[in-house]
Amino acid sequence: TQLLEQSPQFLSIQEGENLTVYCNSSSVFSSLQWYRQEPGEGPVLLVTVVTGGEVKKLKRLTFQFGDARKDSSLHITAAQPGDTGLYLCAGVRGAQKLVFGQGTRLTINP
Amino acid sequence: DAMVIQNPRYQVTQFGKPVTLSCSQTLNHNVMYWYQQKSSQAPKLLFHYYDKDFNNEADTPDNFQSRRPNTSFCFLDIRSPGLGDAAMYLCATRGGGSEYQETQYFGPGTRLLVL
Repeated sequence: TQLLEQSPQFLSIQEGENLTVYCNSSSVFSSLQWYRQEPGEGPVLLVTVVTGGEVKKLKRLTFQFGDARKDSSLHITAAQPGDTGLYLCAGVRGAQKLVFGQGTRLTINP
Repeated sequence: DAMVIQNPRYQVTQFGKPVTLSCSQTLNHNVMYWYQQKSSQAPKLLFHYYDKDFNNEADTPDNFQSRRPNTSFCFLDIRSPGLGDAAMYLCATRGGGSEYQETQYFGPGTRLLVL
């Protein structure tokens, strides 16, 4: 079974601080995706990383794929209350099936 | 405009009473997925359709069935809901091309409560 472990599961920080969320697996994935889910809504894709060592930036969010394509990280700079939500990593395997991590629930306090 | 629509958004059913959840899409996508997401847990894939071909996950209980009468609609039938089936049910679609970076588009989900 391919599992993705996310850490931390819960994170509450003050506005303006930086944070990093980790997504780790013992399996190799063809690509890895990060989603953000708000209460009562479905997940929304933020980014897909494909190449080992790849780094992608989305405004204040920086995503990195590990060299061995087994792990990934999401770094948020100068967090804002609007960043609050559930962040999910998902490994992509055959037939475009997604294996999700358990999520990191992020709260940014004003 | 909403691209993946789920109805109802909230559903209350009784223990053992069959219930059907609905998903429709305006994207004309070939692939449709059903996920179950319990509180504080990751979404878990139940099954998916590639066009009319049904693909069941090995650990999906027999209590869960699905129908896809046409490209736009897909239904999740829970034949005899138990208390453990209370969850958010997410529908997602994908174009179905060979590009592995292709995005899955999720609906807003239906929250099911079993009394």
